[in-house]
Amino acid sequence: KAGVTQTPRYLIKTRGQQVTLSCSPISGHRSVSWYQQTPGQGLQFLFEYFSETQRNKGNFPGRFSGRQFSNSRSEMNVSTLELGDSALYLCASSWDEDYEQYFGPGTRLTVT
Amino acid sequence: GIQVEQSPPDLILQEGANSTLRCNFSDSVNNLQWFHQNPWGQLINLFYIPSGTKQNGRLSATTVATERYSLLYISSSQTTDSGVYFCAVATYGNNRLAFGKGNQVVVIP
Repeated sequence: KAGVTQTPRYLIKTRGQQVTLSCSPISGHRSVSWYQQTPGQGLQFLFEYFSETQRNKGNFPGRFSGRQFSNSRSEMNVSTLELGDSALYLCASSWDEDYEQYFGPGTRLTVT
Repeated sequence: GIQVEQSPPDLILQEGANSTLRCNFSDSVNNLQWFHQNPWGQLINLFYIPSGTKQNGRLSATTVATERYSLLYISSSQTTDSGVYFCAVATYGNNRLAFGKGNQVVVIP
């Protein structure tokens, strides 16, 4: 069974631009969660989608948004990029709540 | 929200040594996972262990849910065990994993 995939793997953007990251979950998994990892804040939860609905949201500004499609693939968007958005963005999928989560390889975003 | 503390933050081991990593959490959990982050950043699943004991090769883990802690044991460490180990938990009925700050492990030959 194929694992979680994320595209692109690396991105360089300029302040003020927007970016869209993509995540394809393990086949059959309907829950997709997004996390941000930075050296200063560690791993932080962004949001979770289940059956095309946002089910949970972390403490991030409205510039961070996401969506999920009917095939469970998910995208997250960051608008008006700031230098502090430079991070590793990780996506995880699972069957549902209370089940093991599996992570993708991540997208490393650099904002200059 | 739930708090997760991992200790020790840094650990240097001689190859062949054994070690124990600890994860304390502040509330009842329905999900507890241990991960190893590889040099490229991907989180590799080690154990899904909200309670009980599991073993996988040289690694084993124990979670005592009633006392709110989990232990990850590394036996006969190898240089490939180097990296950061994360403990992550979620409370009942949600998928929001809260992570500890990690254990940085360095195994020297």
